[in-house]
Amino acid sequence: EPEVTQTPSHQVTQMGQEVILRCVPISNHLYFYWYRQILGQKVEFLVSFYNNEISEKSEIFDDQFSVERPDGSNFTLKIRSTKLEDSAMYFCASSERGRAEKLFFGSGTQLSVL
Amino acid sequence: AQSVTQLGSHVSVSEGALVLLRCNYSSSVPPYLFWYVQYPNQGLQLLLKYTSAATLVKGINGFEAEFKKSETSFHLTKPSAHMSDAAEYFCAVSEDTGGFKTIFGAGTRLFVKA
Repeated sequence: EPEVTQTPSHQVTQMGQEVILRCVPISNHLYFYWYRQILGQKVEFLVSFYNNEISEKSEIFDDQFSVERPDGSNFTLKIRSTKLEDSAMYFCASSERGRAEKLFFGSGTQLSVL
Repeated sequence: AQSVTQLGSHVSVSEGALVLLRCNYSSSVPPYLFWYVQYPNQGLQLLLKYTSAATLVKGINGFEAEFKKSETSFHLTKPSAHMSDAAEYFCAVSEDTGGFKTIFGAGTRLFVKA
């Protein structure tokens, strides 16, 4: 089965630094998402992206966050100035269509902010 | 706004016993409902989804879930637990409101005893 791939699997950064988390969605998918999971807590929606623009975002996704599809294959999440509370597992997902469609998840990037 | 509540953060069953994982949802419009499973160090994988066809939905690995509108529930069951079922299970809801967003519950960790 096709896979969503995420790099790196672990990222350690200092508070205040910028990080970019990278994802390669499944090639024929049109909808892309970022979720995060703080240790021991629920999987939280951050943002969805379709047709080269954000289609929906949560309250968590403030001005410190941005997403980009810089070429035909990558989908990135940038955190401009990391805070301690940004430490979490970040999951990228993609789907062929929106809403009722099955989401395909990557294995996640564990971000640790020190 | 949609939300999902999973009753019980941990459920423990014996191998061969019935598995019942509970999920209640809140939605202002007819929802799309999902169960996902997460094995250690992996992303989430879809087990099954409800999209307003049959109220009893069959998924992979012998799991099924029943949509009960009167109870706003979508409980996941499996008649006979196997050791390989030990994982974290997430109930999720998606609404047709114009945006592309799936909201996840807090998860239930299933333990299977030999």
